[in-house]
Amino acid sequence: QVQLVESGGGLVTPGGSLRLSCAASGFTFSDYYMTWIRQSPGKGLEWVAYINGASNTIYHADSVKGRFAISRDNAKNSLYLHMNNLRVDDTAVYYCAREETNWFDPWGQGTLVTVSS
Amino acid sequence: DIQMTQSPSSLSASLGDRVTITCRASQSIHSYLNWYQQRPGKAPNLLIYAASSLRSGVPSRFTGSGSGTDFTLTISSLQPDDFATYFCQQSYSSPRTFGQGTKVEIK
Repeated sequence: QVQLVESGGGLVTPGGSLRLSCAASGFTFSDYYMTWIRQSPGKGLEWVAYINGASNTIYHADSVKGRFAISRDNAKNSLYLHMNNLRVDDTAVYYCAREETNWFDPWGQGTLVTVSS
Repeated sequence: DIQMTQSPSSLSASLGDRVTITCRASQSIHSYLNWYQQRPGKAPNLLIYAASSLRSGVPSRFTGSGSGTDFTLTISSLQPDDFATYFCQQSYSSPRTFGQGTKVEIK
């Protein structure tokens, strides 16, 4: 069945970096847009970035532009989120999701990123 | 950015009750509106897409309606599995934006 599994979260100090990964299975990964969405108690659900199958259409939310970069490796069925210059307000559970036409389905189980000194 | 506003933020209901959740967009989004259910500690799951289409495998007690700026999610007869938080999300324009959520609790 279609499955997405995130990894790479953890505790990092402000200004630090992390790389999140999302392993996809059960579908033709290269056919789909993929998305990162985060959820924090203070901000609710926030769409972070998306990338198309060919990696030539990429969009980042203004809140992360210049600090985060989405990428993918279709040969490895993997999606990535490279996060630099992390801030306290980046603390959230980060989900990867497949973009099915105009909706997100399914979502991974999420990985927690905590930015704290 | 398009703002999505849900009401109420929370509600208490009993098993078998009919429940209605409203989502309003800050501008017309036509029918580009999706609904998700999130149980505690879990990821959101798609319930309704394109305002009124039921995702395969979702019980028929869930219905979505609306277009333009005003949308509704209705649960016809609340079941134990339905106590969760529900989010709306617009896919009319980027950035995709979500409502703040409606928590459905047991009365």
